[in-house]
Amino acid sequence: EAEVAQSPRYKITEKSQAVAFWCDPISGHATLYWYRQILGQGPELLVQFQDESVVDDSQLPKDRFSAERLKGVDSTLKIQPAELGDSAMYLCASSLGGNLYTEAFFGQGTRLTVV
Amino acid sequence: EDQVTQSPEALRLQEGESSSLNCSYTVSGLRGLFWYRQDPGKGPEFLFTLYSAGEEKEKERLKATLTKKESFLHITAPKPEDSATYLCAVHLWVGGSQGNLIFGKGTKLSVKP
Repeated sequence: EAEVAQSPRYKITEKSQAVAFWCDPISGHATLYWYRQILGQGPELLVQFQDESVVDDSQLPKDRFSAERLKGVDSTLKIQPAELGDSAMYLCASSLGGNLYTEAFFGQGTRLTVV
Repeated sequence: EDQVTQSPEALRLQEGESSSLNCSYTVSGLRGLFWYRQDPGKGPEFLFTLYSAGEEKEKERLKATLTKKESFLHITAPKPEDSATYLCAVHLWVGGSQGNLIFGKGTKLSVKP
């Protein structure tokens, strides 16, 4: 069964350091999302790609966060410098995209702890 | 402002005790409503998509329904393995783009044997 792959599963980093997360969506899925989930809360959208283009990054803290999907397939989310408040689960999801919305499938996430 | 509210925040049931979870929304341009299940430390797992009022979907002990203002996830005769956080999300159109998902905070369900 096709899955969204994310790595690493866990990451511990010191504040002010740089950290990066990787996501490989389900093959053929044009839409890719990065979400952040704080413990006890629902996921919040950080950035959405349609193929290689960003369609929504209004909630992405652009002074420290960046995201790219250069060839419209896999994607990288970077934080530099990391702050204590960035500790959370970072989730990647993908969907077929297009005019008719289809369900999004999530990866297992990356649990980030900033110390 | 677009908003999704889930209730209750937490629900404790005895095995076999049926109940319902609620997801109410105040959004413009709703294109679909989704239910997900999330186990601790894992990503959300897709359960159902509902597109129009009156629509119903079923899967094993779960049944999802949709009205113009809210959705219910009915759990019939739950088992301990149904324990998880259930997330509701609405899909909105954003201008000419596909739109995005807005999630509620979830309902944490615990089923005791």
